[in-house]
Amino acid sequence: EVQLVESGGGLVQPGGSLRVSCAASEFIFSDFSMSWVRQAPGKGLEWVANIKKDEGEKHYVDSVKGRFTISRDNAKSLLYLQMNSLRAEDTAVYYCVRSAWLDWWGQGTLVIVSS
Amino acid sequence: DIQMTQSPSSLSASVGDRVTITCRASQGIRNDVGWYQQKPGKAPKRLIYAASTLQSGVPSRFSGSGSGTEFTLTISSLQPEDFATYFCLQHYNYPFTFGPGTKVDIK
Repeated sequence: EVQLVESGGGLVQPGGSLRVSCAASEFIFSDFSMSWVRQAPGKGLEWVANIKKDEGEKHYVDSVKGRFTISRDNAKSLLYLQMNSLRAEDTAVYYCVRSAWLDWWGQGTLVIVSS
Repeated sequence: DIQMTQSPSSLSASVGDRVTITCRASQGIRNDVGWYQQKPGKAPKRLIYAASTLQSGVPSRFSGSGSGTEFTLTISSLQPEDFATYFCLQHYNYPFTFGPGTKVDIK
């Protein structure tokens, strides 16, 4: 079964940076685009970013453009989200999700932006 | 950006009831829609893709329909394990957008 395990969440001050990671297994990582989706506490789902399988194309929601960078290491089956200039409204559980069709989800990692 | 509206926002139902949830897109999105179930503290789980195709392993009481701008998720006979929040997703173009969710709880 597909496995997606996020890590790297935690408490960070406003204006700070954090990188969350996702380790993928039980499928050929390099064959799939990957996405990050977030969910603020008690709120709905928000798609954040997507990266094509060869890193040739990346897309972001407007609210994170210029602050967040999605990347991947196909040799290590790892997906990353580098988050800079963090704001309180970025507080959320961040899910790593396989494919542009968002078929398989990790369990999420919590990012809290607070002073 | 494509807006996804979802109705109702919540509903109360009994075991055995038929439940229908509707999502409407602000523009035509072919059948590029998925439906997800989320239980408290858990990651979403995909139930339906391409508007009407049942995800492998998902019970057949779940079904999806629609194309263009209007989509429905139907649970033919609600079971105790189906009490959860349901979301629709459009992946027709970027940014992908979710409906606000429908919480299904016990009457």
